[in-house]
Amino acid sequence: EVQLVQSGAEVKKPGESLKISCKGSGYSFTSYWIGWVRQMPGKGLEWMGIIYPGDSDTRYSPSFQGQVTISADKSISTAYLQWSSLKASDTAMYYCARRWDYYDILTGYSEYYFDYWGQGTLVTVSS
Amino acid sequence: QSVLTQPPSASGTPGQRVTISCSGSSSNIGSNTVNWYQQLPGTAPKLLIYSNNQRPSGVPDRFSGSKSGTSASLAISGLQSEDEADYYCAAWDDSLNGHVVFGGGTKLTVL
Repeated sequence: EVQLVQSGAEVKKPGESLKISCKGSGYSFTSYWIGWVRQMPGKGLEWMGIIYPGDSDTRYSPSFQGQVTISADKSISTAYLQWSSLKASDTAMYYCARRWDYYDILTGYSEYYFDYWGQGTLVTVSS
Repeated sequence: QSVLTQPPSASGTPGQRVTISCSGSSSNIGSNTVNWYQQLPGTAPKLLIYSNNQRPSGVPDRFSGSKSGTSASLAISGLQSEDEADYYCAAWDDSLNGHVVFGGGTKLTVL
């Protein structure tokens, strides 16, 4: 059974650093991209970035480039999302999700979707 | 302001059929497949429809998806109280170096 299990809720002060995790199991962790999605209180889903644990290739949404760092440790099947200096506006629920990829080289047809999601990590930043 | 446009709310009575629209552009919906996610209150999103109209195992056939040009829609027939949730459309966007874009979400209320 495919599972993504995220680390627990965090309460931090502005300016502090934080690293949250997402541990995959039940599949080949190095063969699928893992994405991170933010959901601010009462708001919609925002894609932050994605990493391929096999070679740590990482892509960021322009909105989050430079604001967070995405990494992975394939030896323990875990992806990470980290901040060096939190702001109150980082208060949100953060989800990791596995991306399913399909690409037909002959036709150029492709499919990408997030098929499994973690349970979410609530990050609260308050003085 | 989300790249994909959804109505903020929708409603229906039990047994009714409701549809939720999702409008995009040639760089996202127009050239890539559309996926739909259901987020029940207090839970993580769940894949509901992938590749425009495919249902993952376990998703009832009351849920269906379609796509035409730069728009897509999700239809729910035989509405049930447990369908009350937020629904998000998503697609990859070729103009953003292959990044994913989400709709703003539609809150479905079962009256």
